[in-house]
Amino acid sequence: DIQMTQSPSSLSASVGDRVTITCQASQDISNYLNWYQQKPGKAPKLLIYDASNLDTGVPSRFSGSGSGTDFTFTISSLQPEDIATYYCQHHNNLPPWTFGQGTKVEIK
Amino acid sequence: EVQLVESGGGLGQPGRSLRLSCAASGFTLEDYAMHWVRQAPGKGLEWVSGVSWNSDRIDYADSVKGRFTISRDNAKNSLYLQMNSLRTEDTALYYCAKDRHKWNYKGYFDSWGQGTLVTVSS
Repeated sequence: DIQMTQSPSSLSASVGDRVTITCQASQDISNYLNWYQQKPGKAPKLLIYDASNLDTGVPSRFSGSGSGTDFTFTISSLQPEDIATYYCQHHNNLPPWTFGQGTKVEIK
Repeated sequence: EVQLVESGGGLGQPGRSLRLSCAASGFTLEDYAMHWVRQAPGKGLEWVSGVSWNSDRIDYADSVKGRFTISRDNAKNSLYLQMNSLRTEDTALYYCAKDRHKWNYKGYFDSWGQGTLVTVSS
């Protein structure tokens, strides 16, 4: 099975800061990588699919990049409503489709 | 608007069974693959099982293989998860999730329910 490793596990940043999260796959997954946002007490929400495509209605301050084994998720200007845990997830080929362990983003 | 509403969670004893349901509305269920994803208390997300739009492909995580069965009834706009031989480590919030693209089985979870809590304890 493909393992997904996210870092950091948590971060604290100020409003307006640029925030970056990385995700590494244990093998080449091309661009088959999604990013989700989960706010406290809520279901996850798909933000980015296929490494860099914003899902419908997702603000443009969110972006993703990468291919192969190394991926990056960026919030260009952190907003108070972005407080959440963010997960990467591969959907390469066949299941199991595994998630990273999550990155908790807090406001400093 | 897509809506997914899970039900059937509750307290289950180790070794016993529970059946989860997911009622779908706002889209044509028969056109989409569907999945169950779970989240243990305070932990991350784990994909549990998926079924293709026409049920010709069904998959399970190793942690539930042989114990859980996913099924769908498109006429009733419903997805199910039969959970047998429950273990304490099955304790989690169980979400049903819709795949993003019609007639694909790709693991893009673009709509989620609010989840139903399963607690396995004696």
